[in-house]
Amino acid sequence: AQKITQTQPGMFVQEKEAVTLDCTYDTSDPSYGLFWYKQPSSGEMIFLIYQGSYDQQNATEGRYSLNFQKARKSANLVISASQLGDSAMYFCAMSRIKAAGNKLTFGGGTRVLVKP
Amino acid sequence: DSGVTQTPKHLITATGQRVTLRCSPRSGDLSVYWYQQSLDQGLQFLIQYYNGEERAKGNILERFSAQQFPDLHSELNLSSLELGDSALYFCASSPPEGSYEQYFGPGTRLTVT
Repeated sequence: AQKITQTQPGMFVQEKEAVTLDCTYDTSDPSYGLFWYKQPSSGEMIFLIYQGSYDQQNATEGRYSLNFQKARKSANLVISASQLGDSAMYFCAMSRIKAAGNKLTFGGGTRVLVKP
Repeated sequence: DSGVTQTPKHLITATGQRVTLRCSPRSGDLSVYWYQQSLDQGLQFLIQYYNGEERAKGNILERFSAQQFPDLHSELNLSSLELGDSALYFCASSPPEGSYEQYFGPGTRLTVT
């Protein structure tokens, strides 16, 4: 079974500063993917970034980067230069990587509030 | 906009009733996933369809069922509704191959009174 743990229920960050959201995972699958999603107060789930377990380099997407440490089973999200619009819930998730069947297992989420 | 559509956005119904939630995946996506988000259970996978066939099942109650039609849209049927079924129900779709991210629809907020 797969498990995702997000230990930070909530955090404040100053606008324009960087913030790191913690995520640890547990799985016995040799091949898996790690994902981060953003859920603003409006409720939609927005895909941010993906990291495959065999990817050699950490994933980056604009201001988002994923700090992947396989030996420590961690996949922390770094948001650089925080903006007021970054205030939201952030979910870490994982799935097996196999053809046509990759259900996501989610962590409990971290609420981020960006202060002006 | 993810390209995944869900209707209705909101649904209020009484206990014991039956409702149908509808989802249209992104153009070209063959997989449809259903998730439930509730305050006590968090985000949970319910069921997945791939090109019309059930592919994986999660914590889906027997009172719930789903199907994917030939045009790839999917419906989630919830029957004998209970107060505890009140939740945000998401549909997501993913490309047939090459990438693994799932794109979520806006969700249907179900309130059972």
